[in-house]
Amino acid sequence: DTEVTQTPKHLVMGMTNKKSLKCEQHMGHRAMYWYKQKAKKPPELMFVYSYEKLSINESVPSRFSPECPNSSLLNLHLHALQPEDSALYLCASSHQHQETQYFGPGTRLLVL
Amino acid sequence: AQKITQTQPGMFVQEKEAVTLDCTYDTSDQSYGLFWYKQPSSGEMIFLIYQGSYDEQNATEGRYSLNFQKARKSANLVISASQLGDSAMYFCAMREVSGYSTLTFGKGTMLLVSP
Repeated sequence: DTEVTQTPKHLVMGMTNKKSLKCEQHMGHRAMYWYKQKAKKPPELMFVYSYEKLSINESVPSRFSPECPNSSLLNLHLHALQPEDSALYLCASSHQHQETQYFGPGTRLLVL
Repeated sequence: AQKITQTQPGMFVQEKEAVTLDCTYDTSDQSYGLFWYKQPSSGEMIFLIYQGSYDEQNATEGRYSLNFQKARKSANLVISASQLGDSAMYFCAMREVSGYSTLTFGKGTMLLVSP
């Protein structure tokens, strides 16, 4: 089973809202990732968690705040976003950091 | 310089025919991994196939095979017997052992399969 789940599937928020994206996997993977993908572009890495510790932050603005409460769960807290943050947000996980990444279905975010 | 190059923005193929999607890469690492992902319009990135730089045999997974030519630094994806459900964006990606060991994606190739 290579299932990564993400909720919600779609999210519309205003620039003053606070919302969270959730990602879950039950494959025993110890590395989890957040990517941002704009239309017709490849995914861009935002954050990497390895063994529940943030190991990579690709200079992402502080209005995006990741959290890894346990080995199965990864959250992305959103606050004071801009319209240009509208994108598909993909979560992925892998057994270890350097191994094959399995992606979730993504959350389509629209910031108004 | 681009690390992963996919020169075909779009490809058309008829159902049941084979199609090759091109991917070339650039790295000075001896140890690296190459991946292909499929992304339908629904958005999910689906892992298709993996090739390690030390693997002597070309990787195969069902109708997918990876034509790995190390000296040419190419890792083309071959889809045999195309199906309508193969219509999607296809991304080639590389993971280098050095540095952050994160995935570097190409720009993708949109494949359309016609009846």
